[in-house]
Amino acid sequence: NAGVTQTPKFRVLKTGQSMTLLCAQDMNHEYMYWYRQDPGMGLRLIHYSVGEGTTAKGEVPDGYNVSRLKKQNFLLGLESAAPSQTSVYFCASSSWDSNQPQHFGDGTRLSIL
Amino acid sequence: AQKITQTQPGMFVQEKEAVTLDCTYDTSDQSYGLFWYKQPSSGEMIFLIYQGSYDEQNATEGRYSLNFQKARKSANLVISASQLGDSAMYFCAMREDLYNQGGKLIFGQGTELSVKP
Repeated sequence: NAGVTQTPKFRVLKTGQSMTLLCAQDMNHEYMYWYRQDPGMGLRLIHYSVGEGTTAKGEVPDGYNVSRLKKQNFLLGLESAAPSQTSVYFCASSSWDSNQPQHFGDGTRLSIL
Repeated sequence: AQKITQTQPGMFVQEKEAVTLDCTYDTSDQSYGLFWYKQPSSGEMIFLIYQGSYDEQNATEGRYSLNFQKARKSANLVISASQLGDSAMYFCAMREDLYNQGGKLIFGQGTELSVKP
């Protein structure tokens, strides 16, 4: 069972470069999320999606864009990377059933130099 | 604004003993869910246990139980018979009203648990 798959697992960027993080889930979940985790802090929501073609801002959306062209995929983009975006990024998905947990990918460790 | 507070940055417990990790929350919603996740040093997020705001019984999953005190707005995780493999970061999280808020999770800052042999 693949669950939630994030690519890449590690990446080093230079300030100003752009990149896209890919999240794919095979559980037919409606909802998908992108979080970032910084040292000493819990996960903070960047953007989320409640269905194909829809996205919404979370707690810390600045500097990021997202797209959900297919139900199973949720892309997180950094147009012009900044050192403050150095973090571990987690993608998650969940069904519409509020009793069910969010399922997380293994994370992407991103360093911006 | 919804908020999750975990007041214990770090905890130590002796192997085979029980340990309680504290979590308090703040919400004006009537319908919400509370989750606990474990994050070992390898980094993945592992779901442990869930409690719904309308559930009358405390949730249990194997060695994990959730001490839910709604009036006090607390949802403490109890791990019985601690094992060395329980050493990890533990996060409490709250889900806002699913159908209106997209099921987003709000996380606490976590508690790092160390189990001593």
